[in-house]
Amino acid sequence: NAGVTQTPKFRVLKTGQSMTLLCAQDMNHEYMYWYRQDPGMGLRLIHYSVGEGTTAKGEVPDGYNVSRLKKQNFLLGLESAAPSQTSVYFCASSQNPLQPQHFGDGTRLSIL
Amino acid sequence: AQSVTQLGSHVSVSEGALVLLRCNYSSSVPPYLFWYVQYPNQGLQLLLKYTSAATLVKGINGFEAEFKKSETSFHLTKPSAHMSDAAEYFCAVSDNSGYSTLTFGKGTMLLVSP
Repeated sequence: NAGVTQTPKFRVLKTGQSMTLLCAQDMNHEYMYWYRQDPGMGLRLIHYSVGEGTTAKGEVPDGYNVSRLKKQNFLLGLESAAPSQTSVYFCASSQNPLQPQHFGDGTRLSIL
Repeated sequence: AQSVTQLGSHVSVSEGALVLLRCNYSSSVPPYLFWYVQYPNQGLQLLLKYTSAATLVKGINGFEAEFKKSETSFHLTKPSAHMSDAAEYFCAVSDNSGYSTLTFGKGTMLLVSP
């Protein structure tokens, strides 16, 4: 049972480079979320989606873009990476906002 | 607006001792409340949730939490700590509107000593 799968698991970028993080879920969930986790900060919501073709901004959206072209996939893009974006990124999904969220194992991203 | 405050970034207990992790919330409407656990290098896993039914909620691994509206609290407890309980614990709140999102606390690291 895969649940929520994030790729890649680790990545090192140079400042100014771009990349896309992929999140895939096999539970037919409507809602998907991208968070970043930094020491002492808990999880902060970057962007989320309430269904295929929709996206919305969360608490810390600047410097990120997202797309939800297929229901099972939610992509997070960094167009021009900055050292402040060094973090652990988590994707999650849920059937609706009142149901528990299911999390992936995270992507550890370092930007030099 | 909703918010969560977890008192204590680190809590240390001895194996077999009571575990108490504190969570206070702020919400303008009746909240849904969650506790998640994160083991090293893993994502978050749901421990338990409160959704306006019973105020005492039992979760996995022997944990439970009590919703106290008058104190705006949802503290997590376990009668007897095990070494395997060492992890980071997050409290989260969601209001019960149709498009709400979760707001997480900053987390409490539970350390268990032999």
